[in-house]
Amino acid sequence: NAGVTQTPKFRILKIGQSMTLQCTQDMNHNYMYWYRQDPGMGLKLIYYSVGAGITDKGEVPNGYNVSRSTTEDFPLRLELAAPSQTSVYFCASSYVRGYQETQYFGPGTRLLVL
Amino acid sequence: KNEVEQSPQNLTAQEGEFITINCSYSVGISALHWLQQHPGGGIVSLFMLSSGKKKHGRLIATINIQEKHSSLHITASHPRDSAVYICAVAGGTSYGKLTFGQGTILTVHP
Repeated sequence: NAGVTQTPKFRILKIGQSMTLQCTQDMNHNYMYWYRQDPGMGLKLIYYSVGAGITDKGEVPNGYNVSRSTTEDFPLRLELAAPSQTSVYFCASSYVRGYQETQYFGPGTRLLVL
Repeated sequence: KNEVEQSPQNLTAQEGEFITINCSYSVGISALHWLQQHPGGGIVSLFMLSSGKKKHGRLIATINIQEKHSSLHITASHPRDSAVYICAVAGGTSYGKLTFGQGTILTVHP
C-alpha cells in the first residue's frame, strides 16, 4: 500500500491564483482530513470527510473548498490564494467504526503565496 | 473548544537519558494521540489511547482521565529520537476532529 499520497510537494502561487491540492489514500479509510501547519503553530483542521459525498468544516475553513466523490480522493481547493494561506498542508485518513483509530498522514504540501 | 497544552516546548537531552513530555487538556475526550514529526516534516502516529498505558519499544504513553493529563516517556534516548512530539485529543463523539498541542521539540545529543 502507498498509504496517503499528496501532490504537489511544493508550489509557489501568486496572490489571487487558484490551485487544487490532491490527496489519495489506498487503505479504504472512511474518514479523511485536511490540516494546515503554520510555523511554530500546532496543526489546525481545515475540512474533514466521514465518507464519499459527505464533508464538513473544521476549525479554519475560510478560503478553502473540498469535495469527496470517491472513498480514495479528497482534494482541497484554494480559489483566491492569499499570503495568509502560506503554510504546510497535510492530508490524513483513518478508519472510524464507533471509535477512533490511528490517523495516517501524507507527506505534506508546502505552499508559498507571494 | 478543548485546549491542549504541552510541556516543555523545547527539550534537550544527552543520549541515554530518560525523557518525559507532558500534555494537559481542558475538557473530556474520547481519545488522545501522540504523534512524531520528523525533521523532514513527515508525521507518524505513535500512540492512540483512551485509558491506562501503552508501550512500544522504548516509548511509553500514559493517560490519567481524571486529571486530564497524559505523558510520553522515552527510555534510553537516542539521537534518532530527535523530532517534534505532538499531543492531540478527540473530544466526545467527534472522533475525527482532533485538537493539537503546539508540539515539543526534542533534541538528543550523542
